[in-house]
Amino acid sequence: QKEVEQNSGPLSVPEGAIASLNCTYSDRVSQSFFWYRQYSGKSPELIMSIYSNGDKEDGRFTAQLNKASQYVSLLIRDSQPSDSATYLCAVKKGGQNFVFGPGTRLSVLP
Amino acid sequence: EAGVAQSPRYKIIEKRQSVAFWCNPISGHATLYWYQQILGQGPKLLIQFQNNGVVDDSQLPKDRFSAERLKGVDSTLKIQPAKLEDSAVYLCASRFGQGYEQFFGPGTRLTVL
Repeated sequence: QKEVEQNSGPLSVPEGAIASLNCTYSDRVSQSFFWYRQYSGKSPELIMSIYSNGDKEDGRFTAQLNKASQYVSLLIRDSQPSDSATYLCAVKKGGQNFVFGPGTRLSVLP
Repeated sequence: EAGVAQSPRYKIIEKRQSVAFWCNPISGHATLYWYQQILGQGPKLLIQFQNNGVVDDSQLPKDRFSAERLKGVDSTLKIQPAKLEDSAVYLCASRFGQGYEQFFGPGTRLTVL
């Protein structure tokens, strides 16, 4: 079992819709969770971090964490064509390093 | 504030040749990472430095890869000899310390023919 898994893409949603991106992780002691956005040919950039169970909202983005289910998600409301990118889930255990998932490619259709 | 700098941006070599990448982190960032990102995959950590000391190199293929950060600032990653499967983007990232965000450089795209 891979440490961090994400739903396989590509995921296509129409402009204005909600995009839902999912991530599961295998190590129960994981403490910190991150969503990165990576445009084609560019480097990853952090868009959300979450550390405790529940929801965390930042503008059009909402991260949801459920440690019991070892599940973290990212919702993008009112999706825009500029949101088209690959979204990477990353998990961190204490002082250890970031482990990235394979990414989900999102395409927002005008 | 200047970001993480990397060079070269692109490199094409033949298998069994050697190659070196350079990274200059954001000023004041003690932690520096080198990642390998193969097309269609997420970044995989190769090595982490804290100042000029290695914290984690468990996933670095030490028979062919080496890295150093001699003065605790910029860093070089070397591959010798290169294999076809080393074709990837090599990302350098830095962060101020624990609890802070890591920032990525633009990456070096390596193609091994």
